Amino acid sequence: GAGVSQTPSNKVTEKGKYVELRCDPISGHTALYWYRQSLGQGPEFLIYFQGTGAADDSGLPNDRFFAVRPEGSVSTLKIQRTERGDSAVYLCASSPYGLAGGENTGELFFGEGSRLTVL
Amino acid sequence: AQSVAQPEDQVNVAEGNPLTVKCTYSVSGNPYLFWYVQYPNRGLQFLLKYITGDNLVKGSYGFEAEFNKSQTSFHLKKPSALVSDSALYFCAVRDRGYQKVTFGIGTKLQVIP
Repeated sequence: GAGVSQTPSNKVTEKGKYVELRCDPISGHTALYWYRQSLGQGPEFLIYFQGTGAADDSGLPNDRFFAVRPEGSVSTLKIQRTERGDSAVYLCASSPYGLAGGENTGELFFGEGSRLTVL
Repeated sequence: AQSVAQPEDQVNVAEGNPLTVKCTYSVSGNPYLFWYVQYPNRGLQFLLKYITGDNLVKGSYGFEAEFNKSQTSFHLKKPSALVSDSALYFCAVRDRGYQKVTFGIGTKLQVIP
């Protein structure tokens, strides 16, 4: 399809394990965002990519979280030594507009999320 | 720092009546403002945005929002609510010159038949 694709849709893991979540953005979108949404909360910003580089990673909660986008398209969010508090829905979004301060700012196109449960 | 406040956890409205979902924001510069909708077990969908120009912006599904700079508000409105409008609504803000988009905690809209 033409939308943002996230895999897996559901992931159950044990405390201490390593997890990777994948995001395939809309073709041609230069900007890619990761958010985390806990139950009853709004999306919480984690990291923003412009092309291959992480332009803003100020939302990553600690050094157990890391994200890459090596070819400027698909992105992977990596979580080491998972904790129960990491349980949430991880949302990926892409946007065709990525110029800071530009007037042509566009909306974000979200995937349906990856639900992570850490037991 | 930028932030969004959605003061109502839930809004109930009868079908056919006008609806308003409130949002206020805080940014250091000039804002880009957005509304998104989330249906159960679905991803967030864009509804409308304010970038510049007319304070009243129109979006998808008959929704509109009014930007009020003096009150730092961007309330979502619809003249006549439908049962199918029942969902979770998120307001979001982005400070110009930055790429980070900050979301509110959401307001649940319940349209009663």
